[in-house]
Amino acid sequence: AQSVTQLGSHVSVSEGALVLLRCNYSSSVPPYLFWYVQYPNQGLQLLLKYTSAATLVKGINGFEAEFKKSETSFHLTKPSAHMSDAAEYFCAVIKSGSARQLTFGSGTQLTVLP
Amino acid sequence: DSGVTQTPKHLITATGQRVTLRCSPRSGDLSVYWYQQSLDQGLQFLIQYYNGEERAKGNILERFSAQQFPDLHSELNLSSLELGDSALYFCASSVDGGGGNTIYFGEGSWLTVV
Repeated sequence: AQSVTQLGSHVSVSEGALVLLRCNYSSSVPPYLFWYVQYPNQGLQLLLKYTSAATLVKGINGFEAEFKKSETSFHLTKPSAHMSDAAEYFCAVIKSGSARQLTFGSGTQLTVLP
Repeated sequence: DSGVTQTPKHLITATGQRVTLRCSPRSGDLSVYWYQQSLDQGLQFLIQYYNGEERAKGNILERFSAQQFPDLHSELNLSSLELGDSALYFCASSVDGGGGNTIYFGEGSWLTVV
């Protein structure tokens, strides 16, 4: 079954530093991949998605992710962290051709230090 | 604002009771999904409906049931509640049930079982 693994349940960065949140997927066929963000006491908001159009995907709030088939990875990055980026981030996968169930990773809590 | 509306936002009830969570999808979306988020299980897919028909089932307990009505709103019914059912329940919607279309999430319904 398709799944995603997020490495690191907690990541801390200083304000202005690079943000790198890791996600690896397991799928025998090209998947659809998503990154969602959850701010405290809020719902899930889509940051970006990969649907096989371009391997480098740009999202909202300055985030981007690169689909690397050879590494089965879809890591999320942002060049310069802002205090408002503190939230929980979820990587998710839908296997193409299947019923559209999002399978989520366990999440990464991002802390931004002043 | 994702356009997905969930009520109630918070609910406290006793063990053994039954509750109904309501969801209005985004205008034009035919597919509705229910997810459960808990500390120990993470984000789990429960069930999906498409235009009134059940499309896919995930880790949904037999004590739980859902339906999608002709006006496309959906309800999740939770009965014989146990302490372990305390969680955040998300509704989500998308245009249809296939492809790489975005799945939009509501802000969730917090259920506390005491």
